[in-house]
Amino acid sequence: EIVLTQSPATLSLSPGERATLSCRASQSISRYLAWYQHKPGQAPRLLIYDVFNRATGVPARFSGGGSGTDFTLTISSLEPEDFAVYYCHQRFNWAGLTFGGGTKVEIK
Amino acid sequence: EVQLVETGGDLVQPGESLRLSCAASGFTFSSFSMTWVRQSPGKGLEWLSYMTSSTNTVAYADSVRGRFTISRDNAKNSLFLQMNSLRAEDTGVYYCARLNRKLRDAFDIWGPGTMVTVSS
Repeated sequence: EIVLTQSPATLSLSPGERATLSCRASQSISRYLAWYQHKPGQAPRLLIYDVFNRATGVPARFSGGGSGTDFTLTISSLEPEDFAVYYCHQRFNWAGLTFGGGTKVEIK
Repeated sequence: EVQLVETGGDLVQPGESLRLSCAASGFTFSSFSMTWVRQSPGKGLEWLSYMTSSTNTVAYADSVRGRFTISRDNAKNSLFLQMNSLRAEDTGVYYCARLNRKLRDAFDIWGPGTMVTVSS
């Protein structure tokens, strides 16, 4: 099983600040990495696919990067609606798709 | 409008069974692979199972293999999850989602989820 480790577990920031979230894979996953935003009581929302491509309707302040085993999600300037939990996800291994443990971005 | 809606969540006792359904609309259901994901209380997202569109290839997470069965009815635009031998740790919100091959199989459409509670 490919394990995805996200850090930090919690990020306390103020609106307008930059958020950098990390996702490390236990082995190379090529470009099969996506990021999702999840708010309480809502369905998860796809933000980034293929490491750095924004999904339809996702604001430009969200960007993804990285390669191989180390990936990042950056929110350039936090808006009030961005405070949520973020998950990375790999589908490199079809026999076992996995999510990271999540990073909660909370208001400082 | 592209939409997924899960139904079938309930309160059941340990050892019992439950069948979840996911109704798809607004897109050609038979052309897409589909998946189930859950979130247990206080925990993160956990992938459970997927089924491909054409070959009906399936895969399961270790935590549910042998107890859960995924299936689909393309004529009825529906995805199912048969859950047997339920345990307390199966409690959570269950989501169905669409895999989009054009997005490197990212889960681009999600339903609102249905709650399953396993408790005596």
